[in-house]
Amino acid sequence: NAGVTQTPKFQVLKTGQSMTLQCAQDMNHNSMYWYRQDPGMGLRLIYYSASEGTTDKGEVPNGYNVSRLNKREFSLRLESAAPSQTSVYFCASIVHLGGELFFGEGSRLTVL
Amino acid sequence: GDSVTQMEGPVTLSEEAFLTINCTYTATGYPSLFWYVQYPGEGLQLLLKATKADDKGSNKGFEATYRKETTSFHLEKGSVQVSDSAVYFCALLTGNQFYFGTGTSLTVIP
Repeated sequence: NAGVTQTPKFQVLKTGQSMTLQCAQDMNHNSMYWYRQDPGMGLRLIYYSASEGTTDKGEVPNGYNVSRLNKREFSLRLESAAPSQTSVYFCASIVHLGGELFFGEGSRLTVL
Repeated sequence: GDSVTQMEGPVTLSEEAFLTINCTYTATGYPSLFWYVQYPGEGLQLLLKATKADDKGSNKGFEATYRKETTSFHLEKGSVQVSDSAVYFCALLTGNQFYFGTGTSLTVIP
């Protein structure tokens, strides 16, 4: 019963470094999402993938890239990290629209 | 554009008090509405949902009614417990995107 698994859970980067957040779901869900959560701003959508092989920008895509590697996995990459990307990142998935959105436990990223 | 506005917190209540967290939305078409809850150190979990006007979602003593005439989906619970302390998010689904409110932090004291 793993659900949505994110790695790493914590990461500290220096400005300009790159890193990839990994997300995998074992529920055979079609759609996957990456959100960031910042104090006072709720969750904001970075990118989403409606189905395997497709990705689309959300509200705050600048500075990020994504890859839908297969139906299970959806990764988020920061090519050149900036302090403004310090946040908690959540991956989520859904089997079909109107169903329940399942979230991972989050990845806390700090960029110094 | 589509959006959700919910009351700002934090909210502090005594155990067994009545809870209301207001949520209003702006959307084209006919969105589905949700309340999610986030406990400390965890991801969000679905609390309840409603998919059409006048639907009432309910779970764990919480209720919310989809009011199209007032574009609202207020969360209520008659008697809160310490274990209800969490952050509550109102959300809407339109097209293939979810839109979340900023969250309302609730602390229930014994």
